[in-house]
Amino acid sequence: GENVEQHPSTLSVQEGDSAVIKCTYSDSASNYFPWYKQELGKRPQLIIDIRSNVGEKKDQRIAVTLNKTAKHFSLHITETQPEDSAVYFCAAANTDKLIFGTGTRLQVFP
Amino acid sequence: ETGVTQTPRHLVMGMTNKKSLKCEQHLGHNAMYWYKQSAKKPLELMFVYNFKEQTENNSVPSRFSPECPNSSHLFLHLHTLQPEDSALYLCASSQVGRVGANVLTFGAGSRLTVL
Repeated sequence: GENVEQHPSTLSVQEGDSAVIKCTYSDSASNYFPWYKQELGKRPQLIIDIRSNVGEKKDQRIAVTLNKTAKHFSLHITETQPEDSAVYFCAAANTDKLIFGTGTRLQVFP
Repeated sequence: ETGVTQTPRHLVMGMTNKKSLKCEQHLGHNAMYWYKQSAKKPLELMFVYNFKEQTENNSVPSRFSPECPNSSHLFLHLHTLQPEDSALYLCASSQVGRVGANVLTFGAGSRLTVL
């Protein structure tokens, strides 16, 4: 079955800096790669997703890149703000089953 | 009521109790999921129901028993749990199409404590 690894587990940045979180997956048939943000005490919410027919997708300050050959994908957050502080999860899916990475706790210091 | 609703939000039970978690989605989705969230394994897939049929049972112990009577409702029946089963149980739903997986919408979770 699918296995998703995520790094780093914690990430601290200064406000205004960029943050990058990386994930690798094992199942070459996976074709859907979402990223979720979970603030303390709240439910995970989708922030951006990408399908395997696209190499990069951007939405304002966040972007995701996908390298199918290497089986890895990354989340990029530019001009970080304190409200970006949360746990971020990547996931990979083939068919109806989403397998999540272990999460990255991002702290943005003002 | 919109989105995905889970009840109860908090549950404390003894190891010999029988209880159930309930999830209801109002999004017209065709797939529902149970995930377990704990410090050890942040988002661990337990069960998937697609068009009310169970398509995935991720080697979950039989003390957890799912039930999906229709595409809008999902239950997790709990029986003779262990303290290590204490966790946040998240329900989610999605619209699975021909292209496969799609966005998951999560409920707020049921915080379970097993004494």
